[in-house]
Amino acid sequence: DGGITQSPKYLFRKEGQNVTLSCEQNLNHDAMYWYRQDPGQGLRLIYYSQIVNDFQKGDIAEGYSVSREKKESFPLTVTSAQKNPTAFYLCASSIRAAKNIQYFGAGTRLSVL
Amino acid sequence: GIQVEQSPPDLILQEGANSTLRCNFSDSVNNLQWFHQNPWGQLINLFYIPSGTKQNGRLSATTVATERYSLLYISSSQTTDSGVYFCAVEGNNAGNMLTFGGGTRLMVKP
Repeated sequence: DGGITQSPKYLFRKEGQNVTLSCEQNLNHDAMYWYRQDPGQGLRLIYYSQIVNDFQKGDIAEGYSVSREKKESFPLTVTSAQKNPTAFYLCASSIRAAKNIQYFGAGTRLSVL
Repeated sequence: GIQVEQSPPDLILQEGANSTLRCNFSDSVNNLQWFHQNPWGQLINLFYIPSGTKQNGRLSATTVATERYSLLYISSSQTTDSGVYFCAVEGNNAGNMLTFGGGTRLMVKP
């Protein structure tokens, strides 16, 4: 089945720890995105990548890092510099074309211990 | 950056009722999408509609780009329509970045 897979579904972070969220897609999409959603809020863009080995900061990139070494993979690291990491994280992908219709994974819920 | 406002923020319907959700945006856009987020958090793309009208079953959407708003119509609502509806737009110079509104939280009661 084609789609976007995020793992894990639930993740707990200790103080001072870096954690990495996985996002894999087999849709052959060029562009991939990471969003953060806080309770009762809309989505905010963290980072996006339109092509392998290239990525750009979104609106709330501080405390996060990404890599795009393969077309199908776009992992997000939540670093210890992110002081309020508890949120729902969503990964999306789209064909790099005029329409930019985005398709989403099921999300990862991150909590701080 | 572009601002996106959705109304109403919350909506409670009896099963079978119709509803209209609104999305206002502050600047010209070349992309507008409506999404449904189910109670488990999954977002599903409902419409890609930067202008004009589209229909898909009980759902339809209209975007009037010149007046900077879009409407999502839900007819004969069902309990499975419950969740949060988001409007997201891409400004003309946004470089493939979508800006999401705050959403409309819909509860359909049996």
